[in-house]
Amino acid sequence: GQQVMQIPQYQHVQEGEDFTTYCNSSTTLSNIQWYKQRPGGHPVFLIQLVKSGEVKKQKRLTFQFGEAKKNSSLHITATQTTDVGTYFCAGRVRDYKLSFGAGTTVTVRA
Amino acid sequence: NAGVTQTPKFQVLKTGQSMTLQCAQDMNHNSMYWYRQDPGMGLRLIYYSASEGTTDKGEVPNGYNVSRLNKREFSLRLESAAPSQTSVYFCASSAWGYPDYAGELFFGEGSRLTVL
Repeated sequence: GQQVMQIPQYQHVQEGEDFTTYCNSSTTLSNIQWYKQRPGGHPVFLIQLVKSGEVKKQKRLTFQFGEAKKNSSLHITATQTTDVGTYFCAGRVRDYKLSFGAGTTVTVRA
Repeated sequence: NAGVTQTPKFQVLKTGQSMTLQCAQDMNHNSMYWYRQDPGMGLRLIYYSASEGTTDKGEVPNGYNVSRLNKREFSLRLESAAPSQTSVYFCASSAWGYPDYAGELFFGEGSRLTVL
């Protein structure tokens, strides 16, 4: 089964509002990656977090890796219509394999 | 740069038919992967190839076979298609060369397969 759990599965956001999606693992992760998939498209890499407690920002997106390296979050501020899509976290437990969460699908109300 | 190229983009099969999904990357990456994507399930790893000449099973390998033809190409074969294999298939590649380094995945555009 999936080792990485992601919540919520769906997020309906009013344009301009903030939201957060969470990623949790039962085991310690070596690193975690985040991807975005636009409707009908393919996943595109956003960022990788490696260190315990690491926080990285990309414009309105803030990514965080938990102190125990078992959880991560993506926070988006002032949501725009361009943020529509599905956001996946992917954690590496061992070797070359990344375990993907089920994704959070974001829709935006203008 | 083409990146990761998958063919075909769409395919309809009848139960029991066989087919091969082709994937090629031009980024000189060591590692290549095949994922399937189903609603509510995220991306599940079918098979991967850490480097040329090696392949390993992922989470859901049953009903599939793979071939790492050379460094550029990694194909996925369905020997006897079943309706449960209806899905969107993504090929991906990544640079890898260090014991604890997992490079970002570069995905192809996907192949939508329907098995009737």
